[in-house]
Amino acid sequence: KAGVTQTPRYLIKTRGQQVTLSCSPISGHRSVSWYQQTPGQGLQFLFEYFSETQRNKGNFPGRFSGRQFSNSRSEMNVSTLELGDSALYLCASSLMNRGLGTEAFFGQGTRLTVV
Amino acid sequence: GESVGLHLPTLSVQEGDNSIINCAYSNSASDYFIWYKQESGKGPQFIIDIRSNMDKRQGQRVTVLLNKTVKHLSLQIAATQPGDSAVYFCAESSQGGSEKLVFGKGTKLTVNP
Repeated sequence: KAGVTQTPRYLIKTRGQQVTLSCSPISGHRSVSWYQQTPGQGLQFLFEYFSETQRNKGNFPGRFSGRQFSNSRSEMNVSTLELGDSALYLCASSLMNRGLGTEAFFGQGTRLTVV
Repeated sequence: GESVGLHLPTLSVQEGDNSIINCAYSNSASDYFIWYKQESGKGPQFIIDIRSNMDKRQGQRVTVLLNKTVKHLSLQIAATQPGDSAVYFCAESSQGGSEKLVFGKGTKLTVNP
């Protein structure tokens, strides 16, 4: 079965612009989480969506937002881009079941470069 | 505050040796722990998980040990292979009903042939 798909894979934007990243979870998965990965800060939680509702949010400014659609696909948006937003943005999907063996599957990420 | 850390940023082993990667966490409310492997240019890949009501779990060539007394997690890889070279992250979760993961900073494992 297809894995988590993130588009685009690479993106270059200019400071002040806005960007939208897309994530298609594994079929049947209803929970989608977003993470930012940088060399300095590592993997940091951005937000989590389940059934089109944001269930949890990390410690990021309001410029970072997201949403989830009825088919579980999710988008995240970053407005007024800053150089420090350059990072690998990862999406993870899960069944929303904490039984052992049920884990979060990650996509390959979108590499965002802000210039 | 929340933090999940690793003792060593890099680890180099010989092919065929056993590898041990360590992780310390600070949140005593953590109830679920996972190890991920991330190869260059790829997203993290699930290796093995463990709940807080267990102290050991084994998979194929991997074993995770959990010591809640000292808040320590370790990943043991048996007969390490060149394909095991990657960055390994531990992650924890402590929020019931949420999939939020708190990640450690990672250990880069290099396997020498």
